[in-house]
Amino acid sequence: AQSVTQLGSHVSVSEGALVLLRCNYSSSVPPYLFWYVQYPNQGLQLLLKYTSAATLVKGINGFEAEFKKSETSFHLTKPSAHMSDAAEYFCAVSSNTGGFKTIFGAGTRLFVKA
Amino acid sequence: SAVISQKPSRDICQRGTSLTIQCQVDSQVTMMFWYRQQPGQSLTLIATANQGSEATYESGFVIDKFPISRPNLTFSTLTVSNMSPEDSSIYLCSVEESGTEAFFGQGTRLTVV
Repeated sequence: AQSVTQLGSHVSVSEGALVLLRCNYSSSVPPYLFWYVQYPNQGLQLLLKYTSAATLVKGINGFEAEFKKSETSFHLTKPSAHMSDAAEYFCAVSSNTGGFKTIFGAGTRLFVKA
Repeated sequence: SAVISQKPSRDICQRGTSLTIQCQVDSQVTMMFWYRQQPGQSLTLIATANQGSEATYESGFVIDKFPISRPNLTFSTLTVSNMSPEDSSIYLCSVEESGTEAFFGQGTRLTVV
């Protein structure tokens, strides 16, 4: 079975500060890992994905994440927060076995202060 | 990438009634997935729908409440039956492509009154 744990339901940063959203996963098979963003009243947008290639993955809007197998982590970072980054962020895991179900974490709401 | 269209985009329904949500994909896909996102919550997988076979439901979801059809490789429907206010959620259709990524429709925002 696969699962995802996102540490912190809410994260608040100042504009220009580092963004760090934490995600730990559990998977009995090599995982595919994703970060999605959801803006208010909008659908899901894929930020980035890890699919067993480079462990440091760069995504859209300046976000990146590093896959650390030893720590079973896939934390999302951005060097400098922008007001437009305020949204809900979901970490998700799936695999190429068992039908490619995508399992989502509980989500982390990012607040950006001026 | 797959383009997914969901209908309706939103609806307000009376309790005790049923609503059928349609999901249309612009390409043939083997697996389609239905998710629910309750207010302020994350996405929860309801079921996996394969063409030509019965849907596979996740724990906590049953066919009588959420019947699913998958008549071909580009289309699926999810029915929310005998609705109650607790069914008020966003329902999302999803497909997998290239074995590495899931794509989502914009969702159906359901309010049950």
